[in-house]
Amino acid sequence: GQQLNQSPQSMFIQEGEDVSMNCTSSSIFNTWLWYKQEPGEGPVLLIALYKAGELTSNGRLTAQFGITRKDSFLNISASIPSDVGIYFCAGSSLAGTYKYIFGTGTRLKVLA
Amino acid sequence: KAGVTQTPRYLIKTRGQQVTLSCSPISGHRSVSWYQQTPGQGLQFLFEYFSETQRNKGNFPGRFSGRQFSNSRSEMNVSTLELGDSALYLCASSILAGGLEDTQYFGPGTRLTVL
Repeated sequence: GQQLNQSPQSMFIQEGEDVSMNCTSSSIFNTWLWYKQEPGEGPVLLIALYKAGELTSNGRLTAQFGITRKDSFLNISASIPSDVGIYFCAGSSLAGTYKYIFGTGTRLKVLA
Repeated sequence: KAGVTQTPRYLIKTRGQQVTLSCSPISGHRSVSWYQQTPGQGLQFLFEYFSETQRNKGNFPGRFSGRQFSNSRSEMNVSTLELGDSALYLCASSILAGGLEDTQYFGPGTRLTVL
């Protein structure tokens, strides 16, 4: 199936450090969504982006919709142990496909 | 407002059997999408329903089917189960999937194990 390229695949960081991850696509999207998933649970929506260039924050999380509409970035500032999980990006186009394409996920582990 | 609910949460079946999973979307959401999540393939889109109509379908065999009821609740069915069907099946709802400023919310998933 079609997927977005998400990087990095995994990262180990120290508590208090900032984290950056991104997604790239060969297609133009009109919506980017960022999710966090913990073991055995469904993904939980963190941030939604709807306009090219848009920068949106949710607490320590900040995400941006790339100007080219083919990429998006998620930053987590001052990481804490509960940030552990898998972060997914998802994109949707205006083509009326009524479906979201998901990134491969970034597994984040925070060392206390 | 209650979130997306899925039943059952866990299911164990044997090869050749069939299974039906249920999803109740957030109140007011008319679009329901189904995804299969496995460690190897990640999140893969199965199909999406809106107002009881399937609007889009992913690349899965015909053994995977679904339907949506008039109250927006949805079911998916997998017939003739195979070992490779073991996965977390996620349901997501939105007001208008793919529309402007639309957002998709996931349920907790149904963990299906095929023995």
